[in-house]
Amino acid sequence: DTGVSQDPRHKITKRGQNVTFRCDPISEHNRLYWYRQTLGQGPEFLTYFQNEAQLEKSRLLSDRFSAERPKGSFSTLEIQRTEQGDSAMYLCASSRAGEAHEQYFGPGTRLTVT
Amino acid sequence: AQKITQTQPGMFVQEKEAVTLDCTYDTSDPSYGLFWYKQPSSGEMIFLIYQGSYDQQNATEGRYSLNFQKARKSANLVISASQLGDSAMYFCAMRAPNTGGFKTIFGAGTRLFVKA
Repeated sequence: DTGVSQDPRHKITKRGQNVTFRCDPISEHNRLYWYRQTLGQGPEFLTYFQNEAQLEKSRLLSDRFSAERPKGSFSTLEIQRTEQGDSAMYLCASSRAGEAHEQYFGPGTRLTVT
Repeated sequence: AQKITQTQPGMFVQEKEAVTLDCTYDTSDPSYGLFWYKQPSSGEMIFLIYQGSYDQQNATEGRYSLNFQKARKSANLVISASQLGDSAMYFCAMRAPNTGGFKTIFGAGTRLFVKA
């Protein structure tokens, strides 16, 4: 399977704990995006990488959130001191360069904070 | 500010009939791209169709077509010959690089139910 993969698919954690999610994009895609989706809503943009450079961050991304893409391949999204409001689906997507190129999404990581 | 509006929370269509899902957008950027994605109950987002703001013709991809009315700022998705497998959430999305950077903004979605 050469699509976008995400790990884990589900994560249950207690409030206050740290969690880290991983995304492996399609290998030839140099653009990588993180989104958050809550029930009944469309995805909300969190951050964007071109190769290893984080070029844009949403104001939704508080200082408890950090994302990396150290070698321009896989990416990690860490949430520190999780809160119940962080419960959501976290989606990763990748694309080729160029505005017309669609994003390919992974299956998402569903986070539940108890 | 950029915005995508999908005013139909839910739509029903009879199998084999056509259905139109509405999408209006707002941007001051003269260059933008419009996308439609499908999200089945399994959760993955599936790209359906793309329309560029400078494209002269409406985009088509198989049974999907995009009715692009630039002056009205609308980008409705038309699904012809609906199938049971088309039952899903559908999201309209926009990217406007000059004013919106790299982010893609999504509407709230329309849930489509196809009846046998």
